[in-house]
This record gives sequence, C-alpha cells and structure tokens, in this order.
Amino acid sequence: AQKVTQAQTEISVVEKEDVTLDCVYETRDTTYYLFWYKQPPSGELVFLIRRNSFDEQNEISGRYSWNFQKSTSSFNFTITASQVVDSAVYFCALRGAGGTSYGKLTFGQGTILTVHP
Amino acid sequence: DGGITQSPKYLFRKEGQNVTLSCEQNLNHDAMYWYRQDPGQGLRLIYYSQIVNDFQKGDIAEGYSVSREKKESFPLTVTSAQKNPTAFYLCASSTNGQRVRNQPQHFGDGTRLSIL
Repeated sequence: AQKVTQAQTEISVVEKEDVTLDCVYETRDTTYYLFWYKQPPSGELVFLIRRNSFDEQNEISGRYSWNFQKSTSSFNFTITASQVVDSAVYFCALRGAGGTSYGKLTFGQGTILTVHP
Repeated sequence: DGGITQSPKYLFRKEGQNVTLSCEQNLNHDAMYWYRQDPGQGLRLIYYSQIVNDFQKGDIAEGYSVSREKKESFPLTVTSAQKNPTAFYLCASSTNGQRVRNQPQHFGDGTRLSIL
C-alpha cells in the first residue's frame, strides 16, 4: 500500500522567513511520481510540481524549491522569503505506476501554512 | 479557457435524500476522479473513471455512486446510505495511458456538502 506522511499539521511564519514543508512517502513500486499541490482558501487544488522517481535532480522555480531524496523517501518543499499570498494548505501526493495503484493519487494529510505580515 | 467546473458550490442534504454533484471538464481528458476532503485529512479517493462507460471504486466508495456516460461529465451521487456526507468534494481529471502517468491531475473548485 502507498502512504504519504506530512508530519507538520500547521506552520506559522512571519513574512520573508524561509519555510520547509516535509513529505515522506512509502511505496513498493519501483517507478512512481510525486506531486505537490497548493490549496488556497478558494478550495481549488493548484498543481505546483511533479517529480519522477528516476529523476533525483532538485528543482528551483522562483521562490520555490524541492528536494527529492530517494534514499530517505522524502520530497520536501521550501519556500524562500515567504509572502502572505503563500498562505494555503499544501499537499504532497504519490502516484504509483503499476497494478492497482495505477492512476490513483495518494495524498498526505496536508500542511496548513500561515504567513503573517 | 479549459478547465473543470463543479456545481453547485454549496449543497444541503436532508435526511434520506440522495443528492448529485456535477463535474464537467473541457480538457479532453480521459480520466476523471472524485475525492472527499475532511478537515485535517488529506483527500481520499471515492471513485475514478479511466474511460467512458467504465469506473472503479476508490478507497471510500460506500454510500456513493457515479456514472460516466460522456467523456466530459462524471457526476457523483451521495446516497442516503452515506451516513456522514458532510465534507468538501473535489473532482479532478487527467490524461490517461502509459506515456502520461506522470501528468498531474487538474482539479475543480469543489462542492461543499452539508446536512440540514
């Protein structure tokens, strides 16, 4: 079975602080895909990034960066110089590539990030 | 613009009543999904459909039913058998097939269902 754990239920920071959201996953698939989504107060989930299991290259997109470490089954997300608009719930998700896990996303519990001015 | 439209945004259900949540997409995606979100929990999969006229149960299908008669539409019915239906329901879609497994799911704005 697949499992995604986001140990931080809530994080509160002051604007311009850096913040890291942790994500640890479990899967028996040798090929899999990891995603991060942002859920603003409006409710819609917004896709941020995907990572294939065979590509451990880290990625930076503006103030966002992602650290994928297969050895520790982690896919952490860092926001540099946080802004109030970053306040949202962030979900890490895992999609297996075979068998009964095909096409299905397994989500973590989500981390509520609040950035104070 | 292409996207996923869920309606209504808010829905109230009376005891013993079935209600249907609408989900329409114009992204030409083959696969569609329904998730339930409860406070403090992640999204849980209710049903999914990889192609028209076919669908599979997800992790929490009891008390729900779906149909997939058209590629664009994947309505979800919350039946009276679902004893705790109060939640936020999200519909999603994605491309399908071996080559596109890494493609993200696109989500609608959600429907918030409450009990009267």
